[in-house]
Amino acid sequence: AQTVTQSQPEMSVQEAETVTLSCTYDTSESDYYLFWYKQPPSRQMILVIRQEAYKQQNATENRFSVNFQKAAKSFSLKISDSQLGDAAMYFCAYTGLLQGGSEKLVFGKGTKLTVNP
Amino acid sequence: GAGVSQSPRYKVAKRGQDVALRCDPISGHVSLFWYQQALGQGPEFLTYFQNEAQLDKSGLPSDRFFAERPEGSVSTLKIQRTQQEDSAVYLCASSYRTAYEQYFGPGTRLTVT
Repeated sequence: AQTVTQSQPEMSVQEAETVTLSCTYDTSESDYYLFWYKQPPSRQMILVIRQEAYKQQNATENRFSVNFQKAAKSFSLKISDSQLGDAAMYFCAYTGLLQGGSEKLVFGKGTKLTVNP
Repeated sequence: GAGVSQSPRYKVAKRGQDVALRCDPISGHVSLFWYQQALGQGPEFLTYFQNEAQLDKSGLPSDRFFAERPEGSVSTLKIQRTQQEDSAVYLCASSYRTAYEQYFGPGTRLTVT
């Protein structure tokens, strides 16, 4: 079974600085998608960034970028120029294309990010 | 509305009661998912629908949990004879196509006393 591990329960960053959140995963599949989701205290989960495993180029969305290392099964999220609104729980998630037709997401336990003014 | 909606937002049930949680996905979204999120944890998959067909229910923790989506839009998650361990936030998500972004609702926080 696929597993996702986030080894940092909590992280903090100063406003305007850069922070990197770690994620590793375990799978035997060759084709899959990885995601970072943000969950603010209001609890509505929002997609931050998405990476297709077959793409070698790392995904970027404005201040958010990933470092995808397929061989190492590592998928870290870098947040540049951190803003107060970035404070939230961040979840790394995986979905495989060979899960018997199910597109379910497998989540890590999350990293709580605090942004200090 | 433009997003996924869930009702009720909060539900308190006495142990042994039955509850029904509703999810209204984004219009036109084929796939619908239910997840259970315990306090301080990541969401865990419960079940998945493609239109009205329940294609994966491998995450349902017991036969007390039942989900349906009879017309391929609104879905209901029913929990019979609730237990304290059922206390969690139940998240619903929908998506337009395979491996595309899942849009999440605000969740229903269930507390079993």
